[in-house]
Amino acid sequence: AQSVAQPEDQVNVAEGNPLTVKCTYSVSGNPYLFWYVQYPNRGLQFLLKYITGDNLVKGSYGFEAEFNKSQTSFHLKKPSALVSDSALYFCAVRDTPTGRRALTFGSGTRLQVQP
Amino acid sequence: DAGVIQSPRHEVTEMGQEVTLRCKPISGHNSLFWYRQTMMRGLELLIYFNNNVPIDDSGMPEDRFSAKMPNASFSTLKIQPSEPRDSAVYFCASSMGVTGELFFGEGSRLTVL
Repeated sequence: AQSVAQPEDQVNVAEGNPLTVKCTYSVSGNPYLFWYVQYPNRGLQFLLKYITGDNLVKGSYGFEAEFNKSQTSFHLKKPSALVSDSALYFCAVRDTPTGRRALTFGSGTRLQVQP
Repeated sequence: DAGVIQSPRHEVTEMGQEVTLRCKPISGHNSLFWYRQTMMRGLELLIYFNNNVPIDDSGMPEDRFSAKMPNASFSTLKIQPSEPRDSAVYFCASSMGVTGELFFGEGSRLTVL
């Protein structure tokens, strides 16, 4: 079965500093990996995805993520954090061999960016 | 595009009542998903449809829950009878293709008293 782990419930970073939100995954085949952001009382918004190709994926709002197959990780990064980046971030995986369209989500990491 | 549209945004009901949540997916998307979000259990997949056909309903908690997709532009999630433990935010999402990302609606916040 596919699964995703987000080991940190919360990440605190100062505005202007780089940020990293960690994600590791477990699948039986090659993964499709996704990052989403959720603001209070809103739905999840898509940030970026890894399907194949370049291990460094660039997405919305200056976010990027690096796929590392040997470490089964897909960490979300941003070079310079903004206060407005404060939100709940979810990593998700789709296991390709099953053909299953649904995503399995991690437990979420709350990012707090301090001014 | 208007995105995924869910209604109602908020629903407060009493235990034992029937609840119906509605979803209009993005036009052209061929997969539709119902997720539930709670503090304790996070985001859980309830059911998903592909080309209007239910593919995986293993996440549906029990027989009190049912979902339908009568056509490509509409889906419902029904809870009958509702219980306080059903209180959660219910999200509908849609996607296109095997590599497509999910697009989420704004959610329906259900409170069962």
